[in-house]
Amino acid sequence: GAGVSQTPSNKVTEKGKYVELRCDPISGHTALYWYRQSLGQGPEFLIYFQGTGAADDSGLPNDRFFAVRPEGSVSTLKIQRTERGDSAVYLCASSSRGGAGANVLTFGAGSRLTVL
Amino acid sequence: GQNIDQPTEMTATEGAIVQINCTYQTSGFNGLFWYQQHAGEAPTFLSYNVLDGLEEKGRFSSFLSRSKGYSYLLLKELQMKDSASYLCAVRDPGGSWGKLQFGAGTQVVVTP
Repeated sequence: GAGVSQTPSNKVTEKGKYVELRCDPISGHTALYWYRQSLGQGPEFLIYFQGTGAADDSGLPNDRFFAVRPEGSVSTLKIQRTERGDSAVYLCASSSRGGAGANVLTFGAGSRLTVL
Repeated sequence: GQNIDQPTEMTATEGAIVQINCTYQTSGFNGLFWYQQHAGEAPTFLSYNVLDGLEEKGRFSSFLSRSKGYSYLLLKELQMKDSASYLCAVRDPGGSWGKLQFGAGTQVVVTP
């Protein structure tokens, strides 16, 4: 597609529920990233995919968070047993390669998650 | 880890110049980025510096001094549409190429 697409744009859920957030990267971009942005803060790295594999998941806060990218394109971030502290905007970004250089990230508009 | 500091908010008049400073403390360095983020929208790439010096791109310029752990973003001929948050980000030297550590952002308010 023309840009990085994320759905849903807004999600309100109750504490303890399970949520899935979807990211459709720019066509042909092999590298995909998930970041989380809390109010008044900069984005915080969660996980990086190169192709289908999670090359770096060091930013996932705990084992309630999981992400997949089974066909090397669309990715889904999954959050189990949501907590109020998970409320944030979840940003997805993609880039054309995972190697050296500027490796400019193109971000989606994000999925705003609110846990009541 | 890395510590990235930038001012919380700056106000300037339309047509003026504003300089947003960013300082970082890190054990290594592999590039510094500036992104612009309008409220409720995606961050968009503005500039990338990996060597010392000034990079100019139209009304926006970015400067880097690696020895001082310092960068600034210079916005010239300010327009109302420049009202946004400006994010300074440093690439993690030990991590993946798109793994960035962001500052909290500087909210720039442009007044008529």
